[in-house]
Amino acid sequence: QVQLQESGPGLVKPSETLSLTCTVSGGSLGGYYWSWIRQPPGKRPEWIGYISFSGTTKYNPSLRSRVSISLDTSKNQFSLRLSSVTAADTAIYYCATSIGGAHGGFDYWGQGTLVAVSS
Amino acid sequence: SYVLTQPPSVSVAPGETARIVCGGNNIGSKSVHWYQQRPGQAPVLVIYYDSNRPSGIPERISGSNSGNTATLVISRVEAGDEADYYCQVWDSSSDHPIFGGGTKLTVL
Repeated sequence: QVQLQESGPGLVKPSETLSLTCTVSGGSLGGYYWSWIRQPPGKRPEWIGYISFSGTTKYNPSLRSRVSISLDTSKNQFSLRLSSVTAADTAIYYCATSIGGAHGGFDYWGQGTLVAVSS
Repeated sequence: SYVLTQPPSVSVAPGETARIVCGGNNIGSKSVHWYQQRPGQAPVLVIYYDSNRPSGIPERISGSNSGNTATLVISRVEAGDEADYYCQVWDSSSDHPIFGGGTKLTVL
């Protein structure tokens, strides 16, 4: 069974860049879509973007100018970079995968990591 | 952009049936996925493509989708079903997935 684990700093200063990595175990990156999703405390989840095994990316239009998702197949990892962060970017960040295709449900999720933006 | 509307809360007694709705303009033409999120945990996919259950999800959880409403039905509700439930679709106009506002299911 696929397992995902997020890692990265839990505190980022305003205007700096948030960087997180998701390590995939129990399966390879091949054939699936690998997403980042965030959830501010008490609010609904918000999709940030995905990368496919072939390296194709798609981002939420509201974040597109600040987001980059990349893949490292040698380490079975994918990463998120979100630039120019503000307090509004404080959230639990999850990595997740869609086994059933780009428009499928998110079958597997990491446990999530809380990132706070504060000076 | 497309909007999904869910009631903030639904309450049901143990053993009864809970129905959680997700409203959207002609949502019946879209594929709906449902998630259960217990406090402090990541969401779990419980229904995909309107009415399909992932492995490990009990048969008493089911889904349907028609017209302007998708519905998640939980039969014979148990205390362990108490959680937030979110619907999700792919918004073709903005070309990305969106989530409903969530419904908190309380088991009385």
